[in-house]
Amino acid sequence: DAGITQSPRHKVTETGTPVTLRCHQTENHRYMYWYRQDPGHGLRLIHYSYGVKDTDKGEVSDGYSVSRSKTEDFLLTLESATSSQTSVYFCASGEVSYEQYFGPGTRLTVT
Amino acid sequence: AQRVTQPEKLLSVFKGAPVELKCNYSYSGSPELFWYVQYSRQRLQLLLRHISRESIKGFTADLNKGETSFHLKKPFAQEEDSAMYYCAQRDNYGQNFVFGPGTRLSVLP
Repeated sequence: DAGITQSPRHKVTETGTPVTLRCHQTENHRYMYWYRQDPGHGLRLIHYSYGVKDTDKGEVSDGYSVSRSKTEDFLLTLESATSSQTSVYFCASGEVSYEQYFGPGTRLTVT
Repeated sequence: AQRVTQPEKLLSVFKGAPVELKCNYSYSGSPELFWYVQYSRQRLQLLLRHISRESIKGFTADLNKGETSFHLKKPFAQEEDSAMYYCAQRDNYGQNFVFGPGTRLSVLP
């Protein structure tokens, strides 16, 4: 499983509250990714990182921000959670550009 | 915008039958294409990548640029192949991976 963990694994929060999800990898991988998975859409890329402090937007970045201050951690923040952000969130990492090892996922429910 | 389509949400076949999971992409350049698989209670994992041209677990996929397709095939399905399959593409200019909606393959005994 390439040493990738996500925390928390489950979270229920209220609309309007900030939420931070953490992805941690022990492989010293250069690239890290955040996706959301919704029925009928597969996985959609939210943000990715290609190095410490180097991040870029994906397909569905609105309402999300990320930070990567250390190689091993990639944080995803929902500034003000909305019900439309209820989803399963997956993190991935890889050493080379085409490689992705996925985490176990975080199920987020916004009520 | 780049799009990856997988027309079948669910595909059921009998054990030993051939299986083909369809994937079409929209990128006009030379995309990099992948198939990922998620078995029950396991993490999403790479099944194969078109550039490597490997056969993994008996699966193969051929890139057809004329039809913009990257269909996944296996001549004889096994029950352990039952899983969710995702086709994905990556453009050559960044790390923007685009996934299809997925096809659930059910191999019946």
